[in-house]
Parts: sequence; C-alpha cells; structure tokens
Amino acid sequence: NAGVMQNPRHLVRRRGQEARLRCSPMKGHSHVYWYRQLPEEGLKFMVYLQKENIIDESGMPKERFSAEFPKEGPSILRIQQVVRGDSAAYFCASSTSFPTQYFGPGTRLTVL
Amino acid sequence: DQQVKQNSPSLSVQEGRISILNCDYTNSMFDYFLWYKKYPAEGPTFLISISSIKDKNEDGRFTVFLNKSAKHLSLHIVPSQPGDSAVYFCAASADQGAQKLVFGQGTRLTINP
Repeated sequence: NAGVMQNPRHLVRRRGQEARLRCSPMKGHSHVYWYRQLPEEGLKFMVYLQKENIIDESGMPKERFSAEFPKEGPSILRIQQVVRGDSAAYFCASSTSFPTQYFGPGTRLTVL
Repeated sequence: DQQVKQNSPSLSVQEGRISILNCDYTNSMFDYFLWYKKYPAEGPTFLISISSIKDKNEDGRFTVFLNKSAKHLSLHIVPSQPGDSAVYFCAASADQGAQKLVFGQGTRLTINP
C-alpha cells in the first residue's frame, strides 16, 4: 500500500513565479491536509480539504495561496508570485478518520 | 500563541538507556495527542497516540503518558537505539472543527553508542 506521494520533492522558483505542489493521498484516504515547516520550527497547519471541498483554510495566507482537491487527481497547493519568505518545506498528510494523519515526504521550495 | 510546547530543543541519551521527551499544551479542548518522528529530508512518521480519556498508551518500546491536570505529556523510549536518533514532534488535535494537528517545535534526540 503506497504511502502519501508528493511531487516534486524539490522546487526552485524565482521571485514572482508560480509554484505548484502536488499531493496524492494514501489509497482510500479522503481527507487531505497541508502543512508548512519553516527552518528550525514545527509544522504549521495551512488547509484541510476533502474531495472538491475546502473544509478549513484558516492557516492559509490571505493572498497568493490557494489549494484544491478535485474529484479526480491529486491535491494541489498553488503559490502565486512567490517571495523569498515562501521558502520552506511543504508537507501533505492524509487520513481516513480523526485523529491520525500520515505524511508525505514533503516538497522543499526554494525561492531565489 | 504556542499552544503546544516542547521546551527541550535537544536531548542526548546513551544507547540502551531510557529517552524521555516532554511536551506541554495550553488548550484544554485538545482530545488527542500524537508523537511523530522525523528524519532529515523526510516527512514525519506517526509513532503513537493517546486519547484524553487515557493516561497511558504503550506500543513496543514506546510509551506515552498523559497528565491532563498538568497539561503535560511525555514519550518514553526504552531501550533507546541508534536508529531512534531523529527529531520528535508532539502534536495535539481537537475532535471538534477542522481536526488539524497543532505541532510543538520538536526535540532533536541523539542516541550515543
């Protein structure tokens, strides 16, 4: 049973470009969560999605960030017009039920 | 507002001895507490969890203790092994609402041979 898949593992963007991060949950998991980890810090919740629905986006920055989990295909975290402060590791997690979440390997975003 | 705190950034333990990692929380609404282990350049791996209705949960070498009155939990690893060297994160969640995980800052555990 494959775990949570994320791609790309590493992403380099110049300031002002767009970043798209993809997450395929574990088979049978319908809940997807995105977290961000800045250097030397813990993971911070960003958004919680179910298929075609955003359940909670209270951790998402108000501008430039968006997320979706379409009926078919992976969940996407999109960052428009990236800035240096967006450089971080972005982790996706999936679950079938509260509370245990299983994490992917992360995407490390570097903004030049 | 740091709702989950791990006050020890690092811990060094000799192989074979007990490792004790601590975590404090402030939000009394938390229902479940989880421990994750993280190696560099990898995602967190789930280790063990405990419900707020229990005070102890054990799985092999790992035991988690919960003291609700003190809003404190700890993870015991015994005996400690070199492969246990990693960053350990405490996380908490409330059944109501988004069910998101709130993480502590992490404790880097080093097991010395």
